[in-house]
Amino acid sequence: DTAVSQTPKYLVTQMGNDKSIKCEQNLGHDTMYWYKQDSKKFLKIMFSYNNKELIINETVPNRFSPKSPDKAHLNLHINSLELGDSAVYFCASSQGTGWVSPLHFGNGTRLTVT
Amino acid sequence: DQQVKQNSPSLSVQEGRISILNCDYTNSMFDYFLWYKKYPAEGPTFLISISSIKDKNEDGRFTVFLNKSAKHLSLHIVPSQPGDSAVYFCAGFNNAGNMLTFGGGTRLMVKP
Repeated sequence: DTAVSQTPKYLVTQMGNDKSIKCEQNLGHDTMYWYKQDSKKFLKIMFSYNNKELIINETVPNRFSPKSPDKAHLNLHINSLELGDSAVYFCASSQGTGWVSPLHFGNGTRLTVT
Repeated sequence: DQQVKQNSPSLSVQEGRISILNCDYTNSMFDYFLWYKKYPAEGPTFLISISSIKDKNEDGRFTVFLNKSAKHLSLHIVPSQPGDSAVYFCAGFNNAGNMLTFGGGTRLMVKP
């Protein structure tokens, strides 16, 4: 009964392909996020959705498109993959958007673009 | 421009001793600071937090100290246990921007 689950765990693909990463949370949280952990290990926010509405969209190429069909799901679709997209992508959720509810992270998806 | 910096990539401590993990920040608008712990192949998990109006918060073996004038915070773990071996991320939260900004993490190794 994993709280935040993301699939797949590993994703190896070639440049130019389109791929999706799925995320689901069963915590009843209102807010979901996508973070990217780059080669220097920094965790950087990409997107945040609150009740299916986009509230944070950091400087991310428009090849990345999040989709939230309902508040329990936030999927990430990436078009025309590039080598620099290789990273670990973490989905997370929280109750509300403030600090009082810490983020609950999934176990990450390691994306390798060759 | 890294607003949250953890300058020590790794730290090794003997079991039973104190572990001190440091974090510096540049954004004076952070309202809260949080520490997350991450085991390999897992996502980060929340550990402890502190409001910017406080200078100390304690939870069991974990204590976070905040020095606002120095823009510095530290996490103390006493006594350290082998199960504490993980990567620790410091993060700042800004109410206005509604975002968590993470540091690059410090890998703690607690030797039995």
